[in-house]
Amino acid sequence: DSGVTQTPKHLITATGQRVTLRCSPRSGDLSVYWYQQSLDQGLQFLIQYYNGEERAKGNILERFSAQQFPDLHSELNLSSLELGDSALYFCASSVVAGAPPGELFFGEGSRLTVL
Amino acid sequence: GQQVMQIPQYQHVQEGEDFTTYCNSSTTLSNIQWYKQRPGGHPVFLIQLVKSGEVKKQKRLTFQFGEAKKNSSLHITATQTTDVGTYFCAGFYTGGFKTIFGAGTRLFVKA
Repeated sequence: DSGVTQTPKHLITATGQRVTLRCSPRSGDLSVYWYQQSLDQGLQFLIQYYNGEERAKGNILERFSAQQFPDLHSELNLSSLELGDSALYFCASSVVAGAPPGELFFGEGSRLTVL
Repeated sequence: GQQVMQIPQYQHVQEGEDFTTYCNSSTTLSNIQWYKQRPGGHPVFLIQLVKSGEVKKQKRLTFQFGEAKKNSSLHITATQTTDVGTYFCAGFYTGGFKTIFGAGTRLFVKA
């Protein structure tokens, strides 16, 4: 158990819909990262937050947005969903406050299926 | 943008054979990490390399960071069925504050 909690574990929805994925980092970790993993693919970096502020941005679509709340949990919002958005979405957190981030602790992921 | 290339994409070995996966970056990395993802699981941290030319060992696993800090390798000696999974390298670029993952090498071990 990494200590990173992601909900929901599985989500099935239709094209055009909007979903929200939630992540609670390990206790004390200030940084949260979101990654997308399509079937048998690598981990695509989406976005990173540090203590509530956006820190780095990857190849995140404009239809996607994220935020980190004062209690440090983070949400990834995916809207106008397309079939290609079907993937496993991982959240990770790190303990190191500065850069580089040190070890990333991954949650078990949220599997999104768009039909 | 920054990219970390990882080869091979797949590797099938007989149990007891060695295995190596390689990562390469076009730009200098601040550090490189290695993760293992078991089938159906999430990535789990294995190790971090920071220094130029650094070599670290964990039992049958040997990790290397190139002198120019642009490439890295993971070598497994005498693979076992428990080594099955996908091995990812992840490079950190100081300027962009990003940890970029390679595409991963999926290891299959036949008993």
